[in-house]
Order: sequence, then C-alpha cells, then structure tokens
Amino acid sequence: EDKVVQSPLSLVVHEGDTVTLNCSYEVTNFRSLLWYKQEKKAPTFLFMLTSSGIEKKSGRLSSILDKKELFSILNITATQTGDSAVYLCAVESPYNNNDMRFGAGTRLTVKP
Amino acid sequence: DAGVTQSPTHLIKTRGQQVTLRCSPKSGHDTVSWYQQALGQGPQFIFQYYEEEERQRGNFPDRFSGHQFPNYSSELNVNALLLGDSALYLCASSRWDLSKNIQYFGAGTRLSVL
Repeated sequence: EDKVVQSPLSLVVHEGDTVTLNCSYEVTNFRSLLWYKQEKKAPTFLFMLTSSGIEKKSGRLSSILDKKELFSILNITATQTGDSAVYLCAVESPYNNNDMRFGAGTRLTVKP
Repeated sequence: DAGVTQSPTHLIKTRGQQVTLRCSPKSGHDTVSWYQQALGQGPQFIFQYYEEEERQRGNFPDRFSGHQFPNYSSELNVNALLLGDSALYLCASSRWDLSKNIQYFGAGTRLSVL
C-alpha cells in the first residue's frame, strides 16, 4: 500500500535555529513530491520536486528529493515565529491524476 | 484574482443528517478535488471532478458524493452523517491539462457531527 511518512511529528525550536523536516514515501509510479505549509486551514504550496538532487529554494526554505532512497527533506534556516505551522508532504502518482497522498505532517513551533 | 473559496466555514450537524459543502475553484482552473482532514492528520483524498464527472475516487463510502457544475464549481454531499465524519473538508483546484500540476487549496469547511 502506498504511504507517506513524515518525521518528526512535532518540533519545537527557538528563533534563529535551523530545522530539517523529513518525508519518506513508498508510492508506485511516482510523479512528484510536494511540500505545503498549513498555518490554520488552507495548505499553501511551497515546492514541487520531480528530479533527484536538484535543490529548490525560496528565501530561507529549501528542499531536495532523493528518488533512489525515496525521501525528501525540507530545510528552514534562521527560523522565525511566522514559520510556526504544520508542514505537509504529499506524493503524486501519474496513474491517479491529481490524487495526492499526504503524510500526517510535522508541527513546527518556533519560540521567540 | 480570487483563490479557492469554500462555504460554509463552519457547520454543525447531528448524526444521520445530510450535509452539502461548496467550492469555487481558482480562476482558470477546471479540476476540483476534495479532501477530508481529521484532527492531527494529513488530508485524505475523497474524489476529484473534471468536466462534470468524477474522475478519481479515494477510499470513501458511497455516502460521500459530489457534483461539478458547468462553471467548474463543485459540491460535496455526505449522507447519513456519522460522528467520525467530523473533520476539516478541503477543496483544491487545479488545471487538468498541466503535466506538472499544483493544487491550490481553499480554507476548508469545519464540520462537526454531534
């Protein structure tokens, strides 16, 4: 059965710390892996990864995919209180167009 | 440019009742997917609509049904509500014809079943 596992489930850090969030997956016919940030309700898109080893970067956030080892990491440097949220990882399969399988998420809390 | 909008934002029902949730996709999008997110869990795929037809379906019972209208908006209907149906229901829209597709989510409808 396809599955997406995120770790850790929760994380508490202080402002300025760097964090690494993990997402491992077992999905048949992988197409892409996506990261979303969910602060209150609507998940907002962060990154889409399709190729191994190519880092995607946006400000203090970056992400990379390893298709051989079947995992991705999301890095956040110099964390701020506004980074506090649930970070969701989702994997997409071409045989299920737009059917994304989500992990349970990592709840990040950044303390001042 | 309006994003994905959902209504209502909150809803309280009792067991056995029926509920209808609504979603308007982002401008330019023609595909709508529905997800159920229980507390502390990631979203789970319910089904997806394109060209007014259900294209994909997740592991949800027939009590969950939907509809898509010619203007691409969509409804999610749940019959014979159970306590376990209490969750945040998220709608996501996208374009069908893009090979690298990104779904954009609405703020969801929080359904409480008492």
